[in-house]
Amino acid sequence: DGGITQSPKYLFRKEGQNVTLSCEQNLNHDAMYWYRQDPGQGLRLIYYSQIVNDFQKGDIAEGYSVSREKKESFPLTVTSAQKNPTAFYLCASKTVNSNQPQHFGDGTRLSIL
Amino acid sequence: QKEVEQNSGPLSVPEGAIASLNCTYSDRGSQSFFWYRQYSGKSPELIMSIYSNGDKEDGRFTAQLNKASQYVSLLIRDSQPSDSATYLCAGDVFSSGSARQLTFGSGTQLTVLP
Repeated sequence: DGGITQSPKYLFRKEGQNVTLSCEQNLNHDAMYWYRQDPGQGLRLIYYSQIVNDFQKGDIAEGYSVSREKKESFPLTVTSAQKNPTAFYLCASKTVNSNQPQHFGDGTRLSIL
Repeated sequence: QKEVEQNSGPLSVPEGAIASLNCTYSDRGSQSFFWYRQYSGKSPELIMSIYSNGDKEDGRFTAQLNKASQYVSLLIRDSQPSDSATYLCAGDVFSSGSARQLTFGSGTQLTVLP
């Protein structure tokens, strides 16, 4: 079945530590996105990528980094510079330059130890 | 003004009633709108897309788009307890002065009372 796989489902970060969240899709989508969701809030865009080896900052990119070395993969690193990382992180993908909706993975819940 | 704004919740309706969820947007050039349903602790699930003025029906769900007034709504007929969730409205609006991106409202929490 085609879909978006995020791992791990739960992640704990120690003070000063970088952690990486995985996102893999087999939908052959060019565009991939990372969102952050805080309790009772909507989704805020962290980074997005429309093509391999290229990505753009979203509204809240500070303290995060991404890479896009393969079409299928768009990992997100939460760096130690992100002082309030506790949130639900969602990865999405879609066909680029179309009005089709984004499809989401199951999410990763990140907490601070 | 927020780029995509939803009416404040929470919203409670009795089982079998019509639930009405509303959303306004600031970018008059926006063309695509989506309603996602999100159960607690889960990821958003697409339930409706709408691109043209008017109504679009899918089962118990009807999405309505009025570009002149810049609002989108979702009606849920014959509401069921299983419809209890947070509903997110999203539209392709200009964000941070750059490219048009999908922007989400903060969501409306719906509870359907048995």
